[in-house]
Amino acid sequence: NAGVTQTPKFQVLKTGQSMTLQCAQDMNHNSMYWYRQDPGMGLRLIYYSASEGTTDKGEVPNGYNVSRLNKREFSLRLESAAPSQTSVYFCASNQGSNQPQHFGDGTRLSIL
Amino acid sequence: AQSVTQLGSHVSVSEGALVLLRCNYSSSVPPYLFWYVQYPNQGLQLLLKYTSAATLVKGINGFEAEFKKSETSFHLTKPSAHMSDAAEYFCAVSDSGTYKYIFGTGTRLKVLA
Repeated sequence: NAGVTQTPKFQVLKTGQSMTLQCAQDMNHNSMYWYRQDPGMGLRLIYYSASEGTTDKGEVPNGYNVSRLNKREFSLRLESAAPSQTSVYFCASNQGSNQPQHFGDGTRLSIL
Repeated sequence: AQSVTQLGSHVSVSEGALVLLRCNYSSSVPPYLFWYVQYPNQGLQLLLKYTSAATLVKGINGFEAEFKKSETSFHLTKPSAHMSDAAEYFCAVSDSGTYKYIFGTGTRLKVLA
């Protein structure tokens, strides 16, 4: 049972490059989320999708876009990467509001 | 606005000693509360959740947490620490009906032999 799968696991970009982080879940969950984790700051919500066909901004959406491709997949795009976006990115999913979230293993992104 | 405070970014305990990790939240209504554990280079895993059914919540790996409304706290405890408990622990809160989860800044637990 794969759960939440994120690709790639590691990536190094140059400032200004674009990139899409992929996330897929196989638990038939309705809701999906993107977080970034920075030292000493916990996890901060970037965007979420409450259900297929909807997306909403979280706490730190600037510089990012998302696409809920179907019920399984939720991608995060950096159009013009900046060093401040160096972070570990986590995708999560759950059945709906107030339910525990299931997390992927993260994408470690460095922007030079 | 919702917020979560985890007191102590680093906690060290001896193997076999009591583990106490502190979490305080701010909310005008009873929230949904969660504790997650993160091992190196992995995502977060759910330890336990509070959803108003009972104030004392038991989770996996011998952990439990008590919801105290008067203190707005949801501290995580384990009677006897094991070396395998060394990890980072996160408290999280969400309001009823929302999809926005607020995470604390985490507490890194070190277990000394």
